[in-house]
Amino acid sequence: QKEVEQNSGPLSVPEGAIASLNCTYSDRGSQSFFWYRQYSGKSPELIMFIYSNGDKEDGRFTAQLNKASQYVSLLIRDSQPSDSATYLCAVNIIVGSQGNLIFGKGTKLSVKP
Amino acid sequence: DTAVSQTPKYLVTQMGNDKSIKCEQNLGHDTMYWYKQDSKKFLKIMFSYNNKELIINETVPNRFSPKSPDKAHLNLHINSLELGDSAVYFCASSPILGGLAGVPYEQYFGPGTRLTVT
Repeated sequence: QKEVEQNSGPLSVPEGAIASLNCTYSDRGSQSFFWYRQYSGKSPELIMFIYSNGDKEDGRFTAQLNKASQYVSLLIRDSQPSDSATYLCAVNIIVGSQGNLIFGKGTKLSVKP
Repeated sequence: DTAVSQTPKYLVTQMGNDKSIKCEQNLGHDTMYWYKQDSKKFLKIMFSYNNKELIINETVPNRFSPKSPDKAHLNLHINSLELGDSAVYFCASSPILGGLAGVPYEQYFGPGTRLTVT
């Protein structure tokens, strides 16, 4: 059973702080990793993807990937109340020649003004 | 112009009924998906279609039948609805089938259909 694990939270950080969201995955063959943000009552929205070890930065967001440890994280700098949402980690699992996204259960982030 | 649209947005029905949810994407993508998100917010894939062909059918009861008349549409028909079918159903699309190792592909989600079975 391919799994993606996230701490469900809630993770509470003060406005302006760095929020750190973590995700581990079980399939060592996974190649692509995604972070989605989902506001309450809304659909998931892609924030970032990463497929190489190391860091990838996009504005206030930094994704970090460590394939040896099967670990991917998302850092949000200068957190804003508008960042309050559930963050879903997704991993591309390949079975044969087909790929499929497996989602974690999400971490709920709350940014306090 | 909405990229991935679903209808209806809300669906309330009784046990035993049959219902359909429609999905359309205007992104020109080849691959479309149906996901179920339960009350605990766990998002799980049900089906994926590539260019009208069924690719993935996770362990979903036979009461669920997807239909893709063309690559821009993927509808979901549910027979004999049960209480446990209550959830939010999301349609999604992606430009390619994610089977190429190392090639990231993003999925774009529709707004969701909240199904309540009473």
